Amino acid sequence: KQEVTQIPAALSVPEGENLVLNCSFTDSAIYNLQWFRQDPGKGLTSLLLIQSSQREQTSGRLNASLDKSSGRSTLYIAASQPGDSATYLCAVRPAGGGSYIPTFGRGTSLIVHP
Amino acid sequence: EAQVTQNPRYLITVTGKKLTVTCSQNMNHEYMSWYRQDPGLGLRQIYYSMNVEVTDKGDVPEGYKVSRKEKRNFPLILESPSPNQTSLYFCASSSLTDRIYEQYFGPGTRLTVT
Repeated sequence: KQEVTQIPAALSVPEGENLVLNCSFTDSAIYNLQWFRQDPGKGLTSLLLIQSSQREQTSGRLNASLDKSSGRSTLYIAASQPGDSATYLCAVRPAGGGSYIPTFGRGTSLIVHP
Repeated sequence: EAQVTQNPRYLITVTGKKLTVTCSQNMNHEYMSWYRQDPGLGLRQIYYSMNVEVTDKGDVPEGYKVSRKEKRNFPLILESPSPNQTSLYFCASSSLTDRIYEQYFGPGTRLTVT
């Protein structure tokens, strides 16, 4: 069964730092990997989606990479701002077998202080 | 605006009193699903639907029912709620025809069962 781990579980940094959030998965047979942001008590907002054939995706200050063979994805946040404070989750969708059930990590809680 | 809506957003009820949480999407998505989110356990899928009249169990279906009579709606039914169903619930949808399967989430429903 797929397991998704996010490290670190929590992170507190000063404004302006460049950050790397990690997502690792045990089964490399994935269709895609999606990164989300969740503000406290709110829904999930999609940030980036990487298909299994892609190596990375970029949106503004965010860059997500995927190394399927090693079971890892990283979310890079450049020049962090207090508004980036949120929980970041990754979700892995399996490939083949007709399964559409994604597996979520438990998230990295990020605080960016001024 | 493309969105997933849920109602109600907050609900406090008593054990055994049947309730329904509605979910609607306006993106003509085939795939819809329900998740619950609990501290320390992350997001877990309850049920999903690949199209009208097609539903299947996720990882934690016990105590829940769903129906998909229309493409846009996917209500979650708790026939006899119990305190262990106190949780934050999310509805999500995605297209199956574009083969990207990007997930879009609703704002969440916070349910308390006393």
